[in-house]
Amino acid sequence: QVQLQESGPGLVKTSETLSLTCSVSGSSVSTDYYWGWIRQAPGKGLEWIGSIYNSGSGYYSPSLKSRVTMSIDVSKNQFSVRLSSVTATDTAVYYCVRASAVVTVVNYFDYWGQGTLVTVSS
Amino acid sequence: SYVLTQPPSVSVAPGNTARITCGGDNIGSQSVHWYQQKPGQAPLLVIIYDTNRPSGIPERFSGSNSGNTATLVITRVEAGDDADYYCQLWDSSNAYVVFGGGTKLTVL
Repeated sequence: QVQLQESGPGLVKTSETLSLTCSVSGSSVSTDYYWGWIRQAPGKGLEWIGSIYNSGSGYYSPSLKSRVTMSIDVSKNQFSVRLSSVTATDTAVYYCVRASAVVTVVNYFDYWGQGTLVTVSS
Repeated sequence: SYVLTQPPSVSVAPGNTARITCGGDNIGSQSVHWYQQKPGQAPLLVIIYDTNRPSGIPERFSGSNSGNTATLVITRVEAGDDADYYCQLWDSSNAYVVFGGGTKLTVL
């Protein structure tokens, strides 16, 4: 049974950096999947942040690319995201996800974490 | 950038058929995936590659994709189908994931 679990601060100050980690069980981050993040602002739709492969290479949302850093730790079977210079508009539930991979295509997201609410406030 | 357009809401009586559309430029040439999200829960994958059901998804869920519209079809709608539904694809031209805005399905 594949399980993903997000962890990190639930409150981040404006202009600081949001950092979240996803711990994976039942699947190895070194296998042929993309690992990534999707967020959902309160009452809004889904927004893809980015997805990375076990090599560390990846794809990012054009609107967030300048502020996002993603990394993967095969030894801990975890992956992480950092979002810099946050504002109130970054307040959202953040989901870590696994995506089916076909060559360089990020396909469907078959496993999701439960999500973690991150609030940005001064 | 590629845009996926969904109706904000669809209503259907129990036992009837719900159709949720996802519009995009020549979307029929791309693979579309669909998710169901109930309040307070993470999304659940219900259709992959336009028409295929992942393991555990009832046969009542099906999909189609042609021209400029992909459609999620739910037959014999039940109260438990009341949820938000999102379409998603990979924009290969720009190398990023696109989600539709979501459709709230209300079971009357």
